Amino acid sequence: AQSVTQLDSHVSVSEGTPVLLRCNYSSSYSPSLFWYVQHPNKGLQLLLKYTSAATLVKGINGFEAEFKKSETSFHLTKPSAHMSDAAEYFCVVSDPSQYAGGTSYGKLTFGQGTILTVHP
Amino acid sequence: NAGVMQNPRHLVRRRGQEARLRCSPMKGHSHVYWYRQLPEEGLKFMVYLQKENIIDESGMPKERFSAEFPKEGPSILRIQQVVRGDSAAYFCASSPEDRGLRETQYFGPGTRLLVL
Repeated sequence: AQSVTQLDSHVSVSEGTPVLLRCNYSSSYSPSLFWYVQHPNKGLQLLLKYTSAATLVKGINGFEAEFKKSETSFHLTKPSAHMSDAAEYFCVVSDPSQYAGGTSYGKLTFGQGTILTVHP
Repeated sequence: NAGVMQNPRHLVRRRGQEARLRCSPMKGHSHVYWYRQLPEEGLKFMVYLQKENIIDESGMPKERFSAEFPKEGPSILRIQQVVRGDSAAYFCASSPEDRGLRETQYFGPGTRLLVL
């Protein structure tokens, strides 16, 4: 089974400074990786996804992530934080799972989340 | 194009009652997934359904929980005889039929269940 580890449960930055949210994954093959964001009491919004094309993936709201196979990492970055970026961020891997009927590609495995705080 | 819709957004039940959570996928999506988010935890996969079929229920508790996605109407997650430990946010997601796009799931706003 695949797994993801988010290395920081909380990250605090000042507005206008860079953001780095760290994620490591464990996979026996080349996985599909995602970052989702969750604002308080809201659903999850897809920020970006990696599916074995370009290793540097650009997402919405100025976020990007780089897939590094040698380091099994998929860190999320943004050059300049905005107050509206304050939220919880989840690193996610698509986990093909075997079941009685075959292989399911519907199972997303989530990291524990990183809460990003942005100070004025 | 409306997104994934879930209702109710908030649900309060007393121990022993039944909870029914509904999910309408995005237009054109025929794959539905349910996840549970316990307090202070990430989301955990519960079940994956297609129209009239359960594809993968490896994350569903063995008792009291069931899910369906009928030919017509929304997907339903049903919890019988709720206990306090069922209090959580339940999220539904959907994805398109196209196999190349299926891994990208779009999430609803969630139903927050509180068991008293």
